[in-house]
Parts: sequence; structure tokens; C-alpha cells
Amino acid sequence: DTEVTQTPKHLVMGMTNKKSLKCEQHMGHRAMYWYKQKAKKPPELMFVYSYEKLSINESVPSRFSPECPNSSLLNLHLHALQPEDSALYLCASSQDGRSGINYGYTFGSGTRLTVV
Amino acid sequence: GENVEQHPSTLSVQEGDSAVIKCTYSDSASNYFPWYKQELGKGPQLIIDIRSNVGEKKDQRIAVTLNKTAKHFSLHITETQPEDSAVYFCAARPNTNAGKSTFGDGTTLTVKP
Repeated sequence: DTEVTQTPKHLVMGMTNKKSLKCEQHMGHRAMYWYKQKAKKPPELMFVYSYEKLSINESVPSRFSPECPNSSLLNLHLHALQPEDSALYLCASSQDGRSGINYGYTFGSGTRLTVV
Repeated sequence: GENVEQHPSTLSVQEGDSAVIKCTYSDSASNYFPWYKQELGKGPQLIIDIRSNVGEKKDQRIAVTLNKTAKHFSLHITETQPEDSAVYFCAARPNTNAGKSTFGDGTTLTVKP
């Protein structure tokens, strides 16, 4: 299995709603990422998990809350979002380990989020 | 921090022609340079990568070259096909801040049949 699976594919939520995005991979990758991508822009890093521990938070507002329940799963909990948070949210994983060698990312297809 | 510049922002070629996309980076600590292809409605897909101890790498119709001294790397696509039409992103990763890639702004490639 060489895929990163994201659910749901599309999500429309109100500004007072609470929702969660889910990401799953079974490649044995120990690094997992959340990215945000606006139209015609490159992906923008939000969070990095390494060995199930949060290693990088790119000063993301607290209305976004990541969670890594185990080595295969990554969640992004959303609460009280703003319309400007509407974007494509991408999950990725990589083979990065404790050797210090960097690897490329396997991205999921993303969740298209619309905040109304 | 790292800064990656990518050119051109748009590129249109005739089917069968070659396409070249160039990126420059600023951080001499960067040692891993992947290229991603993003088709409409999909996530980016890793298509080729190169490490700083290598000058060139080829995989069928695509190749990447790296000039560490000048801090630039390029993607070359030969014999382009309509299915090569997509947005291409270069990226650079340093050997510190593990996991933190810096992406270029992307190149929209259109291959006309």
C-alpha cells in the first residue's frame, strides 16, 4: 500500500461547527504532515509529527488542533474556523527516520474545506 | 530561513517538445531537492528527486540537474505529452529542521497536442 488516504474529500462547515479531518497511511512512514494549500499557491506547512510526537507547529492558530493517535493515523480537529480558512488541506507522510536522511513526501488527495 | 525561487510561472509547449523548469535556493544547508507534479483536484505527487552529492538524475523522460555552487536545480522533461500538463513544484530541504521543505511557487505546464 503506497497511498495516503484522506477523508472526507469535501467538507462544508459553519463558523461555529466542530469537525475533524482524517488521514491514514500504511507505508510504515514515521513522519506525517498537515499542509494547507490555497488556489494557485504552493502547499504551506502547518504541523509535523515525528514518531507520533508533534515536532513542528508553524504558529498555526489554536482553532486547528492536530492529533496523532498512532503511527498510521493523523487527525486535524477544526473548531470556530473563519471563511479565510477555506482551502485544500493536504496530509503527507515520509520515510524520514532517526538516520537524519530526508525523503520525499507521499501526499493524499486532500480535503477541500469550505467555511461558510 | 530557506527561500526557493521557481521560474517560469507558466510554460506552454507543443507536444513532443522539451520543457525546462528552474529553481534557485538560498540555504547552503539544503541537501535534498524533490520535484512534485500536481494535477487538478489531486495532491502533489513526487516525480523525481536529487541529493546534494549527485549532479544529475534521470528517470525515463524526466531528469533533474543540480549545481550546488550556483545553488540552482532544474527539471527537464523531454518528448512532452498532453498528460504532462500540470503544476510542478520544486522544493528544498536542509539537513536540519527535519521534515521542513520549502516549496517554490509552482510552474503551470501546458502541453498542446
